[in-house]
Amino acid sequence: EAGVVQSPRYKIIEKKQPVAFWCNPISGHNTLYWYLQNLGQGPELLIRYENEEAVDDSQLPKDRFSAERLKGVDSTLKIQPAELGDSAVYLCASSRGDGFYTEAFFGQGTRLTVV
Amino acid sequence: GQQLNQSPQSMFIQEGEDVSMNCTSSSIFNTWLWYKQDPGEGPVLLIALYKAGELTSNGRLTAQFGITRKDSFLNISASIPSDVGIYFCAGIRYNNNDMRFGAGTRLTVKP
Repeated sequence: EAGVVQSPRYKIIEKKQPVAFWCNPISGHNTLYWYLQNLGQGPELLIRYENEEAVDDSQLPKDRFSAERLKGVDSTLKIQPAELGDSAVYLCASSRGDGFYTEAFFGQGTRLTVV
Repeated sequence: GQQLNQSPQSMFIQEGEDVSMNCTSSSIFNTWLWYKQDPGEGPVLLIALYKAGELTSNGRLTAQFGITRKDSFLNISASIPSDVGIYFCAGIRYNNNDMRFGAGTRLTVKP
């Protein structure tokens, strides 16, 4: 079974430029998460999808961040415009979300550097 | 911000020693998860716990779901150099896939 796939692995951009991250979850997983991880800290939730519906985006800075999960499979997270403080690792995770076996599996992450 | 209190923040141990770390919260969770993260990689799931009081092992790792449902611990026995990394606890609320993480325990194993 293929794991969660994220791309790109690394991205360096200048501030004020846009950037997008892509995530392909494990096949059949209904729940998809995007997390932000700053150096030396635990992952912090940005947005959670149940199928194609964003059920928790309370921590997503909506002035510059947006996300979508068309058809309830792949997801894209976008930042426009990027700021220096957005430099971090962006992690995607997925789970079956069937109400019982809810363990989530992570991709390798995208390390963003804003210069 | 973080809702789970994970301790210790870091540990420096000798190869062969046992390790214990824990996670506490003021909230009740339905599922507790323990992950390990190596530099430059995403977190890898080690153990999943689903019932209060549950004790589960995965090789040299043992984790328990606290009976109050507000805490969990992870033990590593006979540590080896490849155990080096950051260990995270995560809790998932009942009937809700809201998953929150602790700040992590950084483990260093000296050969």
